[in-house]
Amino acid sequence: GAGVSQSPSNKVTEKGKDVELRCDPISGHTALYWYRQSLGQGLEFLIYFQGNSAPDKSGLPSDRFSAERTGGSVSTLTIQRTQQEDSAVYLCASRRTSGSGTDTQYFGPGTRLTVL
Amino acid sequence: RKEVEQDPGPFNVPEGATVAFNCTYSNSASQSFFWYRQDCRKEPKLLMSVYSSGNEDGRFTAQLNRASQYISLLIRDSKLSDSATYLCVVTYNNAGNMLTFGGGTRLMVKP
Repeated sequence: GAGVSQSPSNKVTEKGKDVELRCDPISGHTALYWYRQSLGQGLEFLIYFQGNSAPDKSGLPSDRFSAERTGGSVSTLTIQRTQQEDSAVYLCASRRTSGSGTDTQYFGPGTRLTVL
Repeated sequence: RKEVEQDPGPFNVPEGATVAFNCTYSNSASQSFFWYRQDCRKEPKLLMSVYSSGNEDGRFTAQLNRASQYISLLIRDSKLSDSATYLCVVTYNNAGNMLTFGGGTRLMVKP
């Protein structure tokens, strides 16, 4: 079946502009996560959605970052007034939360963001 | 101190060699443990879960030592295709099941 998809695959923007990154999780997966991977750094958790519950935003690095998940499916990560330190690969993952194999998070291919 | 620590490597080994990676975690509330594999400019993919009793999947063996807060991955009979970065991952006792990643260990298998 289809995996997690993300768009765009690459985004180059100028400092100060806003960007939106999109994630389509695997159909039927109720949990959705955003992570980012900066050059030379490990992956860091940003935000988590589970069903209709309030999202866990504990990993967002600043108030310039926000995310939505509409209809329990597609999610959008928005970065306002981008800074050069926002340059990273932004990875989305989804997880099935009932039945067997519920621990596994499946990652999308990521969006490579470059802020000039 | 990072929550999950790994030797970044690189580990350069010849084909057919056995190689082992270690990982330590600092939070004793850690609940689940995994090894992920990440190829260059690709997303991480689950390699295997790690259980207290130890588990094996073909050429790969994972071990967990909760007392020492230590996880290992052993790869036997290395193949060229094993070249990748191996990420040690833990989750904690929370509802979110968020993954906490180590920095990764880079493996290069050479002919």
